[in-house]
Amino acid sequence: DQQVKQNSPSLSVQEGRISILNCDYTNSMFDYFLWYKKYPAEGPTFLISISSIKDKNEDGRFTVFLNKSAKHLSLHIVPSQPGDSAVYFCAATQGAQKLVFGQGTRLTINP
Amino acid sequence: NAGVTQTPKFQVLKTGQSMTLQCAQDMNHEYMSWYRQDPGMGLRLIHYSVGAGITDQGEVPNGYNVSRSTTEDFPLRLLSAAPSQTSVYFCASSYSRGQTPLHFGNGTRLTVT
Repeated sequence: DQQVKQNSPSLSVQEGRISILNCDYTNSMFDYFLWYKKYPAEGPTFLISISSIKDKNEDGRFTVFLNKSAKHLSLHIVPSQPGDSAVYFCAATQGAQKLVFGQGTRLTINP
Repeated sequence: NAGVTQTPKFQVLKTGQSMTLQCAQDMNHEYMSWYRQDPGMGLRLIHYSVGAGITDQGEVPNGYNVSRSTTEDFPLRLLSAAPSQTSVYFCASSYSRGQTPLHFGNGTRLTVT
């Protein structure tokens, strides 16, 4: 049972435009959500997170939105840059429990 | 600070062989974990440890053993390798479990023939 789903395996965006990566979850007890970025031949690195008490968190070009009623979160990257080309994983956790990851979305930024 | 160091980077095993994937961290993190990444499956938790001497199973523990004798090291043992264990393995650590972001190593790519 996949509790965290990223339904788009890949996304292609033009440089300078907005990239929107989506993530859905089924467990309403999740209270903390994170996004990781992964380059080839490297481990994932933490990008941004959001607590369930918020609906938005920003860090520079990256913004995460949380819609608890829809059990949906999204990562917005504005403006997109070639260095943003990577695989993005969303993850969720409940309290001090284990992180559950989505399948990942490969983002390609075209010049 | 080296962060999380995994060795080896690549490994090829024959079915039935055993091996140990090494993981060490120098951040004094209490929580350490092992994940495997397979196409279309994301990252799945194999085993984790909340401190020296304490380990527990994750989502996909069968065929793997772990131990945590020190805070720094968390090796993953494959007892009798099977082709289904062909994957990329990541070790990760953090100050605590849950809402603290994980720091990942660069992975070990394992092929079992």
